Amino acid sequence: SAVISQKPSRDICQRGTSLTIQCQVDSQVTMMFWYRQQPGQSLTLIATANQGSEATYESGFVIDKFPISRPNLTFSTLTVSNMSPEDSSIYLCSVWDRGQSGYTFGSGTRLTVV
Amino acid sequence: DAKTTQPTSMDCAEGRAANLPCNHSTISGNEYVYWYRQIHSQGPQYIIHGLKNNETNEMASLIITEDRKSSTLILPHATLRDTAVYYCIVANEKLTFGTGTRLTIIP
Repeated sequence: SAVISQKPSRDICQRGTSLTIQCQVDSQVTMMFWYRQQPGQSLTLIATANQGSEATYESGFVIDKFPISRPNLTFSTLTVSNMSPEDSSIYLCSVWDRGQSGYTFGSGTRLTVV
Repeated sequence: DAKTTQPTSMDCAEGRAANLPCNHSTISGNEYVYWYRQIHSQGPQYIIHGLKNNETNEMASLIITEDRKSSTLILPHATLRDTAVYYCIVANEKLTFGTGTRLTIIP
């Protein structure tokens, strides 16, 4: 199955700053997804990252707050902009894995905003 | 995507089969049933998925009712390492997570 590397694994950031999270996959994938998991909650889909086009955002998430890049079929970034303590969450990327006919998840980025 | 209903929590004795139910009465014909689990602070782990036939792999079995309105995930011999939150998801493209079932394996 696909192997996903997410960086950083964790970070503590000051409010008002931005953090860019990287997601690297060891194989070419068509669809990449970004999720947020707030403390004690389930996962919420932020957006679908499409190669060569703009990301598709879910209700409640906007590009200005969570800009996404997808420069090629193995890489994507999610930026959390102008952070506030409410953005403290685990952010995860996921890909459709043709090898297992399912979705594989990265280990996540644990973000704390102070 | 269709929604699912799962028990909030379940306990199972170590070594016994753990049977996790899921209702998905509004599932569409082209939607698959996926099961994932999340062990504390880790990314979700794929377990199994199916469309309408029962499926089995090295981790678990998935039993889907004939009308596809419900399914059961079976962990045949639960171990302490199976303690996790288990998510049942119906989807054909993107995964929408519900609240899942917190399964605790009791020694």
